[in-house]
Amino acid sequence: SQKIEQNSEALNIQEGKTATLTCNYTNYSPAYLQWYRQDPGRGPVFLLLIRENEKEKRKERLKVTFDTTLKQSLFHITASQPADSATYLCALARASSGSARQLTFGSGTQLTVLP
Amino acid sequence: NAGVMQNPRHLVRRRGQEARLRCSPMKGHSHVYWYRQLPEEGLKFMVYLQKENIIDESGMPKERFSAEFPKEGPSILRIQQVVRGDSAAYFCASSPPATSNSPLHFGNGTRLTVT
Repeated sequence: SQKIEQNSEALNIQEGKTATLTCNYTNYSPAYLQWYRQDPGRGPVFLLLIRENEKEKRKERLKVTFDTTLKQSLFHITASQPADSATYLCALARASSGSARQLTFGSGTQLTVLP
Repeated sequence: NAGVMQNPRHLVRRRGQEARLRCSPMKGHSHVYWYRQLPEEGLKFMVYLQKENIIDESGMPKERFSAEFPKEGPSILRIQQVVRGDSAAYFCASSPPATSNSPLHFGNGTRLTVT
């Protein structure tokens, strides 16, 4: 069955370090992958999208990689700050056009950046 | 420039009652999605609608749940005869009709508690 796994339920890192979050998937052929941030009591907020033919995408302190051979995406936050503390969700959309709009989400990784 | 608006933010219902959750998409967005989030779990897709049409309801329970997005007014997710297992956060998201990989814009959810 199709599965999306995000690394460890919680990740604690020291301020200034790089946080690396992992999203692994099985039995999927995603057309693209998105990363969202979710704060307690709020809805997810879109951060980055990467397509299946792209290896890497950057936006300010954020970097996403997408390896369709390993079936894995890595999400990096460089020079992390306490304000980056949140739950980060990866989401995949299948390649078939009929269901391309149905994003499937991982359960998220809770990141805490310690001052 | 209002985002996706959901109301109510919190809803308490007794077993057997009906719950109605409302979602007004972002201005210019004609696609609406409903997701359910249980504690410690990821977002689960429920239904995808365009104005007056249900496009994909593969994530909707077969009974008691229904959704609509009328020509005028908000999208409604309706749960009849609620049970304790329906307690969850329900998120609505919207997107423009342009390309299939448009990111989703989420509201802040309705937290349903069934007593």
